[in-house]
Amino acid sequence: SQQGEEDPQALSIQEGENATMNCSYKTSINNLQWYRQNSGRGLVHLILIRSNEREKHSGRLRVTLDTSKKSSSLLITASRAADTASYFCATVPNSGNTPLVFGKGTRLSVIA
Amino acid sequence: DTGVSQDPRHKITKRGQNVTFRCDPISEHNRLYWYRQTLGQGPEFLTYFQNEAQLEKSRLLSDRFSAERPKGSFSTLEIQRTEQGDSAMYLCASSPPGATNEKLFFGSGTQLSVL
Repeated sequence: SQQGEEDPQALSIQEGENATMNCSYKTSINNLQWYRQNSGRGLVHLILIRSNEREKHSGRLRVTLDTSKKSSSLLITASRAADTASYFCATVPNSGNTPLVFGKGTRLSVIA
Repeated sequence: DTGVSQDPRHKITKRGQNVTFRCDPISEHNRLYWYRQTLGQGPEFLTYFQNEAQLEKSRLLSDRFSAERPKGSFSTLEIQRTEQGDSAMYLCASSPPGATNEKLFFGSGTQLSVL
């Protein structure tokens, strides 16, 4: 079963705009990760945030985590056409030793 | 760093046939995972290995599915008596020791179509 639920399911923006994707999950977690997938390809790890962290940055990416609401958001600033992809959140349950559970993803289209 | 390699990239088969996929993880990675992904969905966990030991199997992995990692290096996933519902992308991923569940490296997947 899939724990994460991304919102929106699809997002279309103009190049240069910011894109925000949200993820909600059900159980307590050890960490939460975001992955990107280009059409027909494997997933690429973007960023990890631990349960005791609230915000993390990496380049044009900003991730927040609210464990009280069991939610996370991924912000991509100054989007580019090359950011067009599906974005998935993945959680590691509190035990820390069980495999990642992925959400259903947000399909982002950045129009040049 | 050659990355995670999966073979074949595409497989078309008829219902009832057996298929086998191969995954070569990054060489120093001790954990290897298999996921399945259908169109518009996120990857669903199937099974994973730590070295040659298969540590966990999902309920999704029916008795028609079997996975091996005989020498703790490459892995194979076999599906016997394929059904149309098996059509999906089969993704393999690996992770290094000491970073369990902190970053998975994925292959490009094997796209299976069962006719």
